[in-house]
Amino acid sequence: DAMVIQNPRYQVTQFGKPVTLSCSQTLNHNVMYWYQQKSSQAPKLLFHYYDKDFNNEADTPDNFQSRRPNTSFCFLDIRSPGLGDAAMYLCATSRDRGFGETQYFGPGTRLLVL
Amino acid sequence: AQKITQTQPGMFVQEKEAVTLDCTYDTSDPSYGLFWYKQPSSGEMIFLIYQGSYDQQNATEGRYSLNFQKARKSANLVISASQLGDSAMYFCAMRGRGQNFVFGPGTRLSVLP
Repeated sequence: DAMVIQNPRYQVTQFGKPVTLSCSQTLNHNVMYWYQQKSSQAPKLLFHYYDKDFNNEADTPDNFQSRRPNTSFCFLDIRSPGLGDAAMYLCATSRDRGFGETQYFGPGTRLLVL
Repeated sequence: AQKITQTQPGMFVQEKEAVTLDCTYDTSDPSYGLFWYKQPSSGEMIFLIYQGSYDQQNATEGRYSLNFQKARKSANLVISASQLGDSAMYFCAMRGRGQNFVFGPGTRLSVLP
């Protein structure tokens, strides 16, 4: 089945220690998104790639970076995690960016910062 | 600016009964899509149903239907014959032309045996 895969499902890191979360997709979608979701809140978009074009949200901290080396893979790098970065990180894809395009989500990675 | 409102932070429903989760939206764009997602405690966001602004009929997907009232700017999700596995957080979202998704705050549904 075509799907969005995130690894790892759970990640524990230390305060200030760089961490990378990964996402892969077999849907061959053009767009890949990274969301941060804190407890009992809606997902918050950090940035997205439309093909190779990177689109950052204005309020995304510089501490968060992303890479998309090819169509299938996208990475979220947190350069110096703080306690406030502990959250669920969701990767999503869509075929395109039209108003009718559904986003399909991966299972998420729960990040814990000690 | 686009906005989604979900006025029910939490809802309870008896197993096998129907339940309606409310969603209202605000946009000045005539072209938009409305989406509902289910998020169980495991965390994955599961796509349920889609309604386009130009669609004349209400969308249905199995036990899910979307009650779309364009003039009132509402897009309520109706779940028929609730099951225990329907207990989850439900998010309403919209997307305009050239826009990213806007999510509502969510409604936590609890299905009682």
